[in-house]
Amino acid sequence: EDQVTQSPEALRLQEGESSSLNCSYTVSGLRGLFWYRQDPGKGPEFLFTLYSAGEEKEKERLKATLTKKESFLHITAPKPEDSATYLCAVKKAAGNKLTFGGGTRVLVKP
Amino acid sequence: NAGVTQTPKFQVLKTGQSMTLQCAQDMNHNSMYWYRQDPGMGLRLIYYSASEGTTDKGEVPNGYNVSRLNKREFSLRLESAAPSQTSVYFCASSRTEGQFFGPGTRLTVL
Repeated sequence: EDQVTQSPEALRLQEGESSSLNCSYTVSGLRGLFWYRQDPGKGPEFLFTLYSAGEEKEKERLKATLTKKESFLHITAPKPEDSATYLCAVKKAAGNKLTFGGGTRVLVKP
Repeated sequence: NAGVTQTPKFQVLKTGQSMTLQCAQDMNHNSMYWYRQDPGMGLRLIYYSASEGTTDKGEVPNGYNVSRLNKREFSLRLESAAPSQTSVYFCASSRTEGQFFGPGTRLTVL
């Protein structure tokens, strides 16, 4: 059975304090790993897609990396506006469906 | 472009009532999805439509029906609402990789 586990469940950071979020997965035939940001009361917002081990993508203070078993979302020198829940999801080689992890709630204090 | 739009934003139903959640996208995407999001359960796929005229069950389809009215619109119907269907419902669409989500419908069943 496909599984996606995110850790930690919650993360409190001081502004400027860099950290990493983890997404570990077990899926047969990974077609892509996706990162989303979700603000309270809103729908998830697409951030990145990673396709193969060793791949990295960056957007402002966020950098996503992928290995064969997990992905990391690094937040460098976070600002309060980076506070959100970050979701990861995987897509198998067959089909269009995504399997989501439970998310990591990030709170960045000024 | 409005992206993915959903109506209504909020709804309160009594047990046994029926209703239809509406979703539309203006990105010319082939695939559309309905998810529910519950605390501690993450995002779970209810139904999806890979293309106009096709629909398939997701992880939690019981108690729901869907209609892919045309390429733009994908509706979710609750025939006889139950308290267990209290949740936030998200519609999403995708063309190749990366699903794009609507703002959600917050449904309470009393």
